[in-house]
Amino acid sequence: AQSVSQHNHHVILSEAASLELGCNYSYGGTVNLFWYVQYPGQHLQLLLKYFSGDPLVKGIKGFEAEFIKSKFSFNLRKPSVQWSDTAEYFCAVNAMDTGGFKTIFGAGTRLFVKA
Amino acid sequence: EPEVTQTPSHQVTQMGQEVILRCVPISNHLYFYWYRQILGQKVEFLVSFYNNEISEKSEIFDDQFSVERPDGSNFTLKIRSTKLEDSAMYFCASTPRFGETQYFGPGTRLLVL
Repeated sequence: AQSVSQHNHHVILSEAASLELGCNYSYGGTVNLFWYVQYPGQHLQLLLKYFSGDPLVKGIKGFEAEFIKSKFSFNLRKPSVQWSDTAEYFCAVNAMDTGGFKTIFGAGTRLFVKA
Repeated sequence: EPEVTQTPSHQVTQMGQEVILRCVPISNHLYFYWYRQILGQKVEFLVSFYNNEISEKSEIFDDQFSVERPDGSNFTLKIRSTKLEDSAMYFCASTPRFGETQYFGPGTRLLVL
């Protein structure tokens, strides 16, 4: 069965620190990969996505992620976080070969940025 | 920019009652989804819907759940007889093509007492 693992459940950083959130998935076929963010009290919003092409994708608000196929990973990075990045971050995978129509989410990483 | 809308934003119900959660997907989208998020837990897939039928459903989506697209614009999730453990935030999502980015609604917070 497909699964998505996010390595950190909680991360606390100071402003200007660098961020890397890990995401690994288990599925051998073609995948579409996403990072979504959920700010406090708000709904899920897309940060960035990877479908094909350059494995280093850039998203909104200075976030980027790198797809490493050999490691089944899609880690999210930001060089310098801000207080406003405090939110929960979800990695998600959509498997293309099964004919299924679902997206599997990771458990989420709660990021708290100290001002 | 078009967006997915959901009503109501909050619903409180008694155990055993039926609830209907409503969603209006983005108008040219073809694939529709329901997810739920129990407080403090991850987002869980419930069901996907395409071409007026269920495409895939999770083990959570048992006989108590049903979905419908009654009029070409609304997409509803019905829980026939709610249980305490159905308390969660329910998100609707839609996408124009399979595998594309899903656009999420703001959610309906359901509380079953």
